[in-house]
Amino acid sequence: QVQLVQSGAEVKKPGASVKLSCKVSGDTLSELSIHWVRQAPGKGLEWMGGFDPENGEPIYVHKFQDRVIMTKDTFTHTVYMDMSSLTSDDSAVYYCAALQGRNDYFDYWGQGTLVTVSS
Amino acid sequence: SYVLTQSPSVSVAPGKTALITCGGNNIGRKSVHWYQQKAGQALVLVVYDDNHRPSGVPDRFSGSKSGNTATLTISRVEAGDEADYYCQVWDSDSDYWVFGGGTRLTVL
Repeated sequence: QVQLVQSGAEVKKPGASVKLSCKVSGDTLSELSIHWVRQAPGKGLEWMGGFDPENGEPIYVHKFQDRVIMTKDTFTHTVYMDMSSLTSDDSAVYYCAALQGRNDYFDYWGQGTLVTVSS
Repeated sequence: SYVLTQSPSVSVAPGKTALITCGGNNIGRKSVHWYQQKAGQALVLVVYDDNHRPSGVPDRFSGSKSGNTATLTISRVEAGDEADYYCQVWDSDSDYWVFGGGTRLTVL
């Protein structure tokens, strides 16, 4: 059974950066494509980007392209998302989610990481 | 960019049928997936590829499409079905994964 375990809550000041992690167990990263989805308080789900299941390269939503970097460590089965230049609008719960193979739906979800950006 | 439109809320009495809709241009040409988000819990896939259920999801949950609308049907609604439900597609034109705005199901 695949499990995604995310890092703990973060509190950051505006302008700072945050690095979130998502550790995968029960399957290998080569079989999964990990993506990041965020949810602002009281709002819906927003896909931010992820690893293309076709070629393994990261894809970013255009609005995040300049300040989000997604990386993966296959040795530790961990995926990271680094987000810079934080503003209060980035306060949200950030989820990692996994696609299996060439599916285009998310079979598995992490528990979420709350990021609060406040001065 | 591709947009999926959901009604913000649906209310239904226990034992009745809930219909949660998701509208999108040419949605008939896309595979539609549905997720359940209960308060304080992780998201769960309840329907994939329009009308398939992952193992463990009750057969009370079903999906369908007609025209520019996809529908998640929950039969014999239970109190435990109260949650937010999101539809999702992959848009091949943009290579983006797209979510609907979500529908809150309230069990009366």
